Amino acid sequence: NAGVTQTPKFQVLKTGQSMTLQCAQDMNHEYMSWYRQDPGMGLRLIHYSVGAGITDQGEVPNGYNVSRSTTEDFPLRLLSAAPSQTSVYFCASSYSRRQGKNTEAFFGQGTRLTVV
Amino acid sequence: AQSVTQPDIHITVSEGASLELRCNYSYGATPYLFWYVQSPGQGLQLLLKYFSGDTLVQGIKGFEAEFKRSQSSFNLRKPSVHWSDAAEYFCAVGRGTSYDKVIFGPGTSLSVIP
Repeated sequence: NAGVTQTPKFQVLKTGQSMTLQCAQDMNHEYMSWYRQDPGMGLRLIHYSVGAGITDQGEVPNGYNVSRSTTEDFPLRLLSAAPSQTSVYFCASSYSRRQGKNTEAFFGQGTRLTVV
Repeated sequence: AQSVTQPDIHITVSEGASLELRCNYSYGATPYLFWYVQSPGQGLQLLLKYFSGDTLVQGIKGFEAEFKRSQSSFNLRKPSVHWSDAAEYFCAVGRGTSYDKVIFGPGTSLSVIP
């Protein structure tokens, strides 16, 4: 049971560099999302997707792009990294309304990103 | 817009003592409510969830929570805390279904004194 897999676990970037955080799930969940976690602020929603080809913005989307070409994968792209994007990033997945099953979100182990 | 508050940033309890972590939400309709726990350096694990029905919900590790609509609260309780319960606890609210933009509270950090 792989669940939700995030890579890499740790990453250090220089300001202005770009990178992609990978997220994959094997539970046939249509809904996937990205959160960032910062001290004292809980988890804030960056982007989410309700199925392949469909994405939308969350609370803090600026500086991030996403795409959803398959049900399994939901990568998060940092276009030009800034120190303010230093954070721990979590990917989550769950069944969608269309799939008709009420469940909670399942989380990956997180990616700790530092931008210097 | 939905929102979640957790009034206590940090709580310290003695091992064996009872615990209550507070959670208040703001949402116009019946929410879906969750409590997650995060151990240091780990991802989030679901403790329990409320979708409908009985307002007292049992979860894993001996935790329970009670949904009180009149108070817009979903407080987490445990009768006897173990040292391994030291962690960060997050309350979360979703609209209508699990996929619909689950919003998290800021978290409560729990320390347990042996």
